[in-house]
Amino acid sequence: EDQVTQSPEALRLQEGESSSLNCSYTVSGLRGLFWYRQDPGKGPEFLFTLYSAGEEKEKERLKATLTKKESFLHITAPKPEDSATYLCAVREGSSNTGKLIFGQGTTLQVKP
Amino acid sequence: SQTIHQWPATLVQPVGSPLSLECTVEGTSNPNLYWYRQAAGRGLQLLFYSVGIGQISSEVPQNLSASRPQDRQFILSSKKLLLSDSGFYLCALSKGVNYGYTFGSGTRLTVV
Repeated sequence: EDQVTQSPEALRLQEGESSSLNCSYTVSGLRGLFWYRQDPGKGPEFLFTLYSAGEEKEKERLKATLTKKESFLHITAPKPEDSATYLCAVREGSSNTGKLIFGQGTTLQVKP
Repeated sequence: SQTIHQWPATLVQPVGSPLSLECTVEGTSNPNLYWYRQAAGRGLQLLFYSVGIGQISSEVPQNLSASRPQDRQFILSSKKLLLSDSGFYLCALSKGVNYGYTFGSGTRLTVV
């Protein structure tokens, strides 16, 4: 069964304290791993898509990496505005419907 | 660019009352459409998806139904709401199996 597990569930950082969020997945042929940011009471906002092991993508203070079993979202020198829930999702290879399977999310709080 | 509209933003309904949540899409045609539910502190659970007009697939047995009467319209319904139907409902679109999702802003449903 396809599965996505994110850790930690919650993370508190001081402003400027770098860290990483983990997304472990089990899927029959990965057809894309997606990272989203979700602010309270809002819909998730797309951040990155990764397709193959070794791939990396960056956006401002965020960098996403991918291996064959997990993905990391690295946050460098975070600011309070980076506080949000970060969601990871995978699309399995045989899917012809495009549906994504989501993890539970990591709620990040960055204190000034 | 493609946009997705959901309404209402919040809804409080008594147990046993009907439900109709609407999602409309702009800026793209023939998208894949999805309804997700997000319970408090939990990840996104896929409820329904549609790859075309009148084509609905259900992911989990439940008290809800979905319809797609037009290419850019996706409706989530219930004849009689249960307390367990409370949650944050998100509509999403995808242009195909090689694309990520664009999410709507969500509807917070509280069944009392």
